Amino acid sequence: QKEVEQDPGPLSVPEGAIVSLNCTYSNSAFQYFMWYRQYSRKGPELLMYTYSSGNKEDGRFTAQVDKSSKYISLFIRDSQPSDSATYLCAMSGGSQGNLIFGKGTKLSVKP
Amino acid sequence: GAGVSQSPSNKVTEKGKDVELRCDPISGHTALYWYRQSLGQGLEFLIYFQGNSAPDKSGLPSDRFSAERTGGSVSTLTIQRTQQEDSAVYLCASSREGSGNQPQHFGDGTRLSIL
Repeated sequence: QKEVEQDPGPLSVPEGAIVSLNCTYSNSAFQYFMWYRQYSRKGPELLMYTYSSGNKEDGRFTAQVDKSSKYISLFIRDSQPSDSATYLCAMSGGSQGNLIFGKGTKLSVKP
Repeated sequence: GAGVSQSPSNKVTEKGKDVELRCDPISGHTALYWYRQSLGQGLEFLIYFQGNSAPDKSGLPSDRFSAERTGGSVSTLTIQRTQQEDSAVYLCASSREGSGNQPQHFGDGTRLSIL
């Protein structure tokens, strides 16, 4: 079992839809949870950063962490074509913070 | 600088040659990380620097890979005697400190192709 599992998609939705992206993990030591967005031929861009369980909202984006279920989610409201990208979940728990990534979900938002 | 800067953005070289990749982190960030992104493998951790020290080299795939950081700033990743399986995007990230409670910010990577 991989440490972090993420459905690679691809996921295609119409503009304006609510998008739900998810990751599961196996290491209970993970405490910090991140979502990155990556456009083609670009580096990952940090979208959301959360610590432990709970919800965090930033504009159209909401991140949820459920440590009891080892499950994290990213919701995108009112999705736009510009949201079309690969979304990577990442997490860490060690003292030095190197990240463990999911393989990414490729999202396409159709106008 | 405003963000993490990596050079070159693209590198094509012949099998067996040595390559050197450069990362210039965000000013003031003491922690620096190298990752590799390849098709089917996702993003893999290679090495972590806190200041000029590398306490964790566990992700380096072989002894052909080495890295250094000088002046607590610029880092270089060197791959000796390159092999075709080294073809990937090499990404650098930095954070304010390496304790894990600071987010990492990435550069756009070096796309390495070994012929």
